[in-house]
Amino acid sequence: QVVLTQSPSASASLGASVKLTCTLSSGHSSYAIAWHQQQPEKGPHYLMKLNNDGSHNKGGGIPDRFSGSSSGAERYLIISSLQSEDEADYYCQTWDTGIQVFGGGTKLTVL
Amino acid sequence: QVQLQESGPGLVKPSETLSLTCTVSGGSITSHYWSWIRQYPGKGLEWIGYIYYSGSTNYNPSLKSRVTISVDTSKKQFSLKLSSVTAADTAVYYCARGVEEVNYWGQGTLVAVSS
Repeated sequence: QVVLTQSPSASASLGASVKLTCTLSSGHSSYAIAWHQQQPEKGPHYLMKLNNDGSHNKGGGIPDRFSGSSSGAERYLIISSLQSEDEADYYCQTWDTGIQVFGGGTKLTVL
Repeated sequence: QVQLQESGPGLVKPSETLSLTCTVSGGSITSHYWSWIRQYPGKGLEWIGYIYYSGSTNYNPSLKSRVTISVDTSKKQFSLKLSSVTAADTAVYYCARGVEEVNYWGQGTLVAVSS
């Protein structure tokens, strides 16, 4: 079964850019994923679907500052011009033979 | 804009059945898959299962023996039942839309299992 691996934490300065990584387990490098943001004390919010070729479809209202890219088994969420409200947990998610799988999440701190 | 709202008891006794309902507004319940996902206090997310509007279901193998998900299209609602709960089932429970990417989430409801 597919496993998603994320670093537990990341940090970047206000106004800077950050790239968060989600790694697919061996044999699953062709899989698409989704990225979700969870701000403190709130439920998750869908950001985008990211395909293995780097193409992505964002959810409604997601700012242009959020984008995605792919390289091999790695899927990236890139946030530019960081704002204080971007401080949140970010989860990747994929699906395999009818089962949904989540990564452990990355806590992003905006300095 | 699709909105999902969970409802149900916030406290369930051990060995009893947890029951939650999700109400869909702002969009159709038909032609979509609807999921239940939970988040433990330590923050990990676990997929519980999903149902198609027609009633077909798929469950997480680790929970399959205890889970039932049903749908009532006339009320635009779908429901979760989790039997024989223990303290390990204490979590925030989310309803969501999607069988591949989850593209809408409810706000979540905390369910504690305690006597």
